[in-house]
Amino acid sequence: QSVLTQPPSASGTPGQTVTISCSGTSSSVGSNTVHWYQQFSGAAPRLLIYSNYQRPSGVPDRFSGSKSGTSASLAIRGLQSEDEADYYCASWDDNLNWGVFGGGTKLTVL
Amino acid sequence: EVQLVESGGDLVQPGGSLRLSCAASGFTFSDYEMNWVRQAPGKGLEWIAYINSGGGTKEYAGSVKGRFTISRDNAQRSLYLQMNSLRVEDTAIYYCARESHHGSRGTNDYWGQGTLATVSA
Repeated sequence: QSVLTQPPSASGTPGQTVTISCSGTSSSVGSNTVHWYQQFSGAAPRLLIYSNYQRPSGVPDRFSGSKSGTSASLAIRGLQSEDEADYYCASWDDNLNWGVFGGGTKLTVL
Repeated sequence: EVQLVESGGDLVQPGGSLRLSCAASGFTFSDYEMNWVRQAPGKGLEWIAYINSGGGTKEYAGSVKGRFTISRDNAQRSLYLQMNSLRVEDTAIYYCARESHHGSRGTNDYWGQGTLATVSA
């Protein structure tokens, strides 16, 4: 069971905005920044968002991140078929003194 | 171009050992902290080991502490993971990942393609 909680699945149609949630605790998301990874089937993860909302170079601005209290969210605006992938949130946990991931959310573009 | 290429994955019996390698190129390897992250088949990601840029600080997840050893050779631009006393539940794709100079601890900005370690009798 993952320390951070994500919905196992999400879906949307092309052009829609989809939001994926990530719930943690006061010792994880509540005290530390959150990052998000995108993983296509059979491929390595790719950093999508870091420090809650920052985008690495090359990541389209359709992807945005936010955090409030012990929860974080990833929003994908103008959904495209190529966005179909697994999405993972990650953070540090002060109690575990280790990094933790969410269980992942499989995004389907209908 | 930043590249990380893992190797060494194989089929091994429970109780056996494996040594994974990760060859880095396209950046100054000695300037970066590195991590190993694994993913069991059909499952999520698990961060298992960390090493600082000089190799003097190493940290491990509880699931592998005492069995796995992370190391690096900055002259060879290589990262290693020695895995001993392997268990069936260690079966996974093992990724090496570079820690970003931006963001907090555990922000991995580049990942290798992974190498599969299978532990089975």
